[in-house]
Amino acid sequence: QLVLTQSPSASASLGASVKLTCTLSSGHSTFAIAWHQQQPEKGPRYLMKLNSDGSHSKGDGIPDRFSGSSSGAERYLTISSLQSEDEADYYCQTWGTGINWVFGGGTKLTVL
Amino acid sequence: EVQLVESGGGLVQPGRSLRLACAASGFRFNDNVMHWVRQAPGKGLEWVSGISWNSESIAYADSVKGRFTISRDNGKNSLYLQMNSLRPEDTAFYYCAKDNGAVAGTYCDYWGQGTLVTVSS
Repeated sequence: QLVLTQSPSASASLGASVKLTCTLSSGHSTFAIAWHQQQPEKGPRYLMKLNSDGSHSKGDGIPDRFSGSSSGAERYLTISSLQSEDEADYYCQTWGTGINWVFGGGTKLTVL
Repeated sequence: EVQLVESGGGLVQPGRSLRLACAASGFRFNDNVMHWVRQAPGKGLEWVSGISWNSESIAYADSVKGRFTISRDNGKNSLYLQMNSLRPEDTAFYYCAKDNGAVAGTYCDYWGQGTLVTVSS
């Protein structure tokens, strides 16, 4: 079964960097994912598509501070030079055969 | 500029029906799979349903199968979600979302702003 696992929370200081992790279930380590950001009281926003080789394509207007990388079944979102507006929930999303999507449980990022 | 604007949310009693609509603009609507995703208060994102560009492929989450029906009108650039036999656990923000693919699901590259559905007596 295709499942995405994320840590419920993360924190980092203003101006620092943080690396969030999304882990694909066993047997799905070659799958691509997408990262989405949801700021408080707002709808989600697409950040990037991230492939298993670490290549990624970002959405419109996404700053260079946001980058992605991969290692095995893990997919990472790195945010550098953290700003207060980066405090948000971050979700990974993937897809199998057919139409359906799968979401991770989300990581709540706190900027200290 | 891609825009997805949902409408139709509101307060409804358990067991009743509601129809959501999503007006799309800024892209060739009939080139893409479209989805509905919901988010209960304080919870994460839950995929609800998806439909291919020509409506030939449709899928539902188990939690709504048999109660919800997704449809689209490419001539009107619109996506719909007919929700029947609503339950309190269907209370959520419902988001219209654009898929990067046309026939099979891939990744979401645009989101609407959401419409709130509250199921309560």
